[in-house]
Amino acid sequence: AQKITQTQPGMFVQEKEAVTLDCTYDTSDQSYGLFWYKQPSSGEMIFLIYQGSYDEQNATEGRYSLNFQKARKSANLVISASQLGDSAMYFCAMILGPILTGGGNKLTFGTGTQLKVEL
Amino acid sequence: EAGVTQSPTHLIKTRGQQATLRCSPISGHTSVYWYQQALGLGLQFLLWYDEGEERNRGNFPPRFSGRQFPNYSSELNVNALELEDSALYLCASSLASGLAGGITDTQYFGPGTRLTVL
Repeated sequence: AQKITQTQPGMFVQEKEAVTLDCTYDTSDQSYGLFWYKQPSSGEMIFLIYQGSYDEQNATEGRYSLNFQKARKSANLVISASQLGDSAMYFCAMILGPILTGGGNKLTFGTGTQLKVEL
Repeated sequence: EAGVTQSPTHLIKTRGQQATLRCSPISGHTSVYWYQQALGLGLQFLLWYDEGEERNRGNFPPRFSGRQFPNYSSELNVNALELEDSALYLCASSLASGLAGGITDTQYFGPGTRLTVL
C-alpha cells in the first residue's frame, strides 16, 4: 500500500526567505503522480504543483518548485521568496495508476506541514 | 472559469439523521471525488464517480453513498449519522481518466462542506 510521510508538523520562515517542506513516499509501483496542495484556514485545498514518476526534470510553477529525488523517494516542495499569504497547511499527496494495482484515482495524503511566514 | 462549488457550506445534524452534500465540478470535468477530512484522521478518500458510475470507493461503511448526475454534478449521502462523521467533506473534480487510472489527472478541490453531528 502507498504511504506519504511529512515529518515536519510545523515550520516557520521569514518573509522573502526560501523554505523547503519535506515529503517522502512509499510505493512499489513504477507509475505514480505526486502533488502538493495548500490549505488555508478557510479549508479549500489549492493545487500547487505536480510531478510524474517518469518526469526527468523537476517541476516548477512560479515560486514553487518540486525537488524530486526518485531513488530516495522524496518530493520536497521549495517555496522561494515567502510571502505572508503563504501561511497555511501544506499537503503532499500521491496517486497511483489502475485500480488493480491499488490506484483508482484516489489521492493518498500526508499529515501536512503547517507553515507560518513571519515578518 | 468557475471552480468546483459545494453546498451547503455548513451543515448541522443530529445523530441518526441523514445528510446530503452537493458538488458541481469544473466545466468540462467528468470525474468527481469525495474526501473526508476529520480531526485526527487526516484526509481520506471516500468515492470516485466518472460518467455517472461509481469507479472506486474508500474504506468507509455503506451508509456513505452518492451518485453522479448526467450534468456531472454529484451528491454525497451519509445515512444514520454518527458523532465521528463530523468533518470537512471536500469534493474535487478532474478531466476524465477512465478505468486505466489517471496519474496525471490533477484533482481540483472545492471549498468543502463542514458537517457537524450533535
